[in-house]
Formats: sequence, structure tokens, C-alpha cells
Amino acid sequence: DTAVSQTPKYLVTQMGNDKSIKCEQNLGHDTMYWYKQDSKKFLKIMFSYNNKELIINETVPNRFSPKSPDKAHLNLHINSLELGDSAVYFCASSRGQGTYEQYFGPGTRLTVT
Amino acid sequence: AQSVTQLGSHVSVSEGALVLLRCNYSSSVPPYLFWYVQYPNQGLQLLLKYTTGATLVKGINGFEAEFKKSETSFHLTKPSAHMSDAAEYFCAVSEALTGNQFYFGTGTSLTVIP
Repeated sequence: DTAVSQTPKYLVTQMGNDKSIKCEQNLGHDTMYWYKQDSKKFLKIMFSYNNKELIINETVPNRFSPKSPDKAHLNLHINSLELGDSAVYFCASSRGQGTYEQYFGPGTRLTVT
Repeated sequence: AQSVTQLGSHVSVSEGALVLLRCNYSSSVPPYLFWYVQYPNQGLQLLLKYTTGATLVKGINGFEAEFKKSETSFHLTKPSAHMSDAAEYFCAVSEALTGNQFYFGTGTSLTVIP
């Protein structure tokens, strides 16, 4: 009964490729997020969706495009991958925005070679 | 704007000793405060949260934190460290009025020495 799941768990790819990471939550939450965690463990929010609508779009390259087909899913597509994109990407969800605790997925470790 | 400062990126304690992880925040409105733990190669797990009411909050695994408005702090403590507490700990704050995003601190890595 995984609450927030992500696939794949590991992703190794070459520079210039396009890849997607999928996220699904079965908690009935309205809000979903994507975070990037760098090698120093710093967590940076990338996107937030509420009821399938984009709420937060932090300063990330436009090579990153989130897509939310429904409230339970938030996918992240990355075009033209660069070395600096190597990181762990976490999906999270919450009942609403901000004041509710967020539930995190297990992460996707992306390595760009 | 919100910000979160975690003093000490690395903390080491002996097994059985007190754990104290520090978190200070800046906020112009009453904050909602959270502590998360991240075990190696896993996602973040909520330890505890403060929204309103009692300022001493108890969480899972014997951890607790106290909201001190005058000191703008929300330090995390545990009376007796276990080896299994070794992990990365993150403090987070969100705005109470506008329901905006989470702001995470830079994390504190806790090492427990046998």
C-alpha cells in the first residue's frame, strides 16, 4: 500500500537524451510536488500542482516540464539532459497547499553521463 | 519571505546521549513548522509538526520539538539516541495565512556513535 510511488527508482542516461519520471499517489490528495535534491542533500522545490493546475513553478530550466493527467499523477519530463541534472528527484503530495504535511515518494536517482 | 536555518550540518552523539538538532526560522506571520527525517536512500518521512496550540510537540520514535516564538526556534530533541536514529534531518516552515509552499532547511546529518 505505497502512498506515494515513483518510477523508475534509478535512471542512468546520456547527455542530450529525454527522459520521464512518473509519480502516483493513492492518498486522495489535491496537491503534488516535485523536488530536486542535490549531492549536498539540499532540497529545492521545482513544481507544485493543485487539482491538476500548476501553482508553483520555481526557476528551473524550461527543459523540465511537469504534466498532471489527473489528481493522482504528476509526471516530470526532462528534455536534453545535462550533467547538472544529476540528482535525486522526489515527488510529494499533500491534502492542500503549504500548511499540510507533505508525503514523499522514495525518490528517483538520475545520473547523467 | 520565509527562511529556515539549521545550525550544524553534521552532529555526532554517543548512543544513549541527548540529541539536539537546531532550527531557526524567519517569518512575518505565524508559521507552521515541520521536522522530517530521511534515512539513507529513502524519501522524507514526517517526524512531527507544529500548527497551533501546545508549543511542545511529540512525534514518532521518541522525538519532540518545542516552538519558541520569542526565539523563532523549533529545535528537535530526543533524550536518548539510538543507532537507528542516524539519518538526515530537515526542518521546514510554511506560511500559515497564505498557504504557500514549504521552505526546507539545508539539513543536519546525525551520526550516532556506539
